This record gives sequence, structure tokens and C-alpha cells, in this order.
Amino acid sequence: EIVLTQSPGTLSLSPGERASFSCRASQSVGANYVAWYQQKPGQAPRLLIYGAFSRAAGIPDRFSGSGSGTDFTLTITRLEPDDFAVYYCQQYGSSPLTFGGGTKVELK
Amino acid sequence: QLQLQESGPGLVKPSETLSLTCTVSSGSISRDTNYWGWVRQPPGKGLEWIANIHYSGRMYDNPSLRSRVTISVDTSKNQFFLSLSSVTAADTAVYYCVLFSREGRGDLWGQGTLVTVSS
Repeated sequence: EIVLTQSPGTLSLSPGERASFSCRASQSVGANYVAWYQQKPGQAPRLLIYGAFSRAAGIPDRFSGSGSGTDFTLTITRLEPDDFAVYYCQQYGSSPLTFGGGTKVELK
Repeated sequence: QLQLQESGPGLVKPSETLSLTCTVSSGSISRDTNYWGWVRQPPGKGLEWIANIHYSGRMYDNPSLRSRVTISVDTSKNQFFLSLSSVTAADTAVYYCVLFSREGRGDLWGQGTLVTVSS
């Protein structure tokens, strides 16, 4: 099983700032099959990024993904008020599908 | 726009079986390029994948839950199902039904349903 470790656990930022957080895999993720999700309180996760860097339909270009192998990053270039949420990474390169523990982006 | 909706009891007693239904609307469950699956989230915690199934019946699941999980699909009703046996308080969670890509990313999620295990 591939274990995903996200860091930091919490990021305190202001609107307009850049957010960047990490997802590290315990072993290389096949085909760089890493997805990122956004989850707001009381809501289901929403797919943002798949295949490490491809944006899902309707996702603004301030969200970008990068990385390969075992190290992956989600970057939000200019935080908007709607972006304060919890972000999860997921690997789907091998079964079982696994998720990271999440990074919370909170208002500073 | 395809939609997924979970339904089932919100309260299950310890040692009993949790049974959930996901109804797919505004689209067919018989999609060759997708799997249908379940993910759960204990209150205040992270996400855990449970199992996926293709409309043809092909499935794959999480070994950590395999002995207790049954996943099935009914194409005539455009529904798929989850059963989790011998539940304990640790199974208390929001359960999401999810449209997965063939590769395994979660493209579309239901709103989720909270299932509490308690006597």
C-alpha cells in the first residue's frame, strides 16, 4: 500500500497570497497518477487536479499541480476567499487507492 | 449533469450490517470507461477508499476492509450498493458514493450520508 504524507498540516495565509503544499508518497506512484481534491466544511470533495498536473473541468488556472515519482505539489497562485478549505491528495497508480491526511488552508 | 445520491439508515447497531444505496441520475450506470465506488470519512478525519465496481461486475477493494465488504450493482435500477458487516463504532463515518475514472481518480462525488454505529 502506498502511504501519502501531506505537509504542512495547516497553512495560515491571507487572500492574494500564494499557497503551496506537499504530498509525499512512500513509493513511486505509477504513471504519476496523483489527484488533488478540495473539501469545504459539510461538502463532498471536489476534483481539482489529476495525473499530477492536469486541471479538472471548470477549475481555474490559479490551481496548478506538479511533481513526479514520490513528490507532488499543489500550488494556488493567488488565494481567493473561496479557496480556504482542506486539500487532499490521492494516488491511483496502484491498488488500494489511498489518500493523504489533508492540508487545511485557513485564513490568517 | 450526472448526479449521485446516497441513501440508507443513518443509525446502525454494533455487530449489524450497514447497507447503503447510491442512485445514479441524469446518466447511465452502464459506462464502460468508469467504475462506481465508495469512500468514507470519519468525523473530523481523512478519506478512506472502500471499493469500486464496474457495471459489468468487475470490482476491486481495499484489503483492510475486504472481509466485511460487499459491493454490487443493479443496472436495471441505475444503482449500486455497499454492505459492510459486523460494524463497530470505528465504522461511524460519512459515506460517499463516487464516479471513478477507469484509472481510479474520483471524478464526481455524491453529497455523502452520515452513518452512526451505536446501540
